[in-house]
Amino acid sequence: DAGITQSPRHKVTETGTPVTLRCHQTENHRYMYWYRQDPGHGLRLIHYSYGVKDTDKGEVSDGYSVSRSKTEDFLLTLESATSSQTSVYFCAISQNRVRDTGLNTEAFFGQGTRLTVV
Amino acid sequence: EDQVTQSPEALRLQEGESSSLNCSYTVSGLRGLFWYRQDPGKGPEFLFTLYSAGEEKEKERLKATLTKKESFLHITAPKPEDSATYLCAVQEVGGTLTFGKGTMLLVSP
Repeated sequence: DAGITQSPRHKVTETGTPVTLRCHQTENHRYMYWYRQDPGHGLRLIHYSYGVKDTDKGEVSDGYSVSRSKTEDFLLTLESATSSQTSVYFCAISQNRVRDTGLNTEAFFGQGTRLTVV
Repeated sequence: EDQVTQSPEALRLQEGESSSLNCSYTVSGLRGLFWYRQDPGKGPEFLFTLYSAGEEKEKERLKATLTKKESFLHITAPKPEDSATYLCAVQEVGGTLTFGKGTMLLVSP
């Protein structure tokens, strides 16, 4: 594994409660991403970060917020969890994003967090 | 409309029976095409990046190729340990990764 730790690995929460998922990296990679994976949809980007305090929305950002106060940590918050947010959440890191040329842009993934909202 | 389409959705092979997985894409400016392997309960594991049409990369029994509209992941003489879901993703100029839904491969002994 590429030095990525997601916590918790499993969580069950009630509808309407706030939930925060944590991604911690030891690779000093600039870019960090949060994806969700659902049957029939594949992996979809929620939010990503291209530096400390620099974040942007992905394809399915509604209902989610993120924060990155340190290079190594990227937090995903569900302000008020809903059943539609039951999913497996993956954090990913990469050294360089698409605009950088001549360098590898592959992303490395964590082991995932299985979140169930009841 | 999906930008990345993988086929087939599922594939069952006998050990040693070679085959190919397909990833077709419709993005206008391809920055890179990525192949990942995902085992049940785990995160995707990076396999290959292809940057331009005509490029090929190999790793053990896997070979990835790229044209202007699609990529193939060729599996030669597969073994049961090759069983996994294989994911394809594309990266556009100015964009992030867009994934296909994957092909679930099962190799029987």
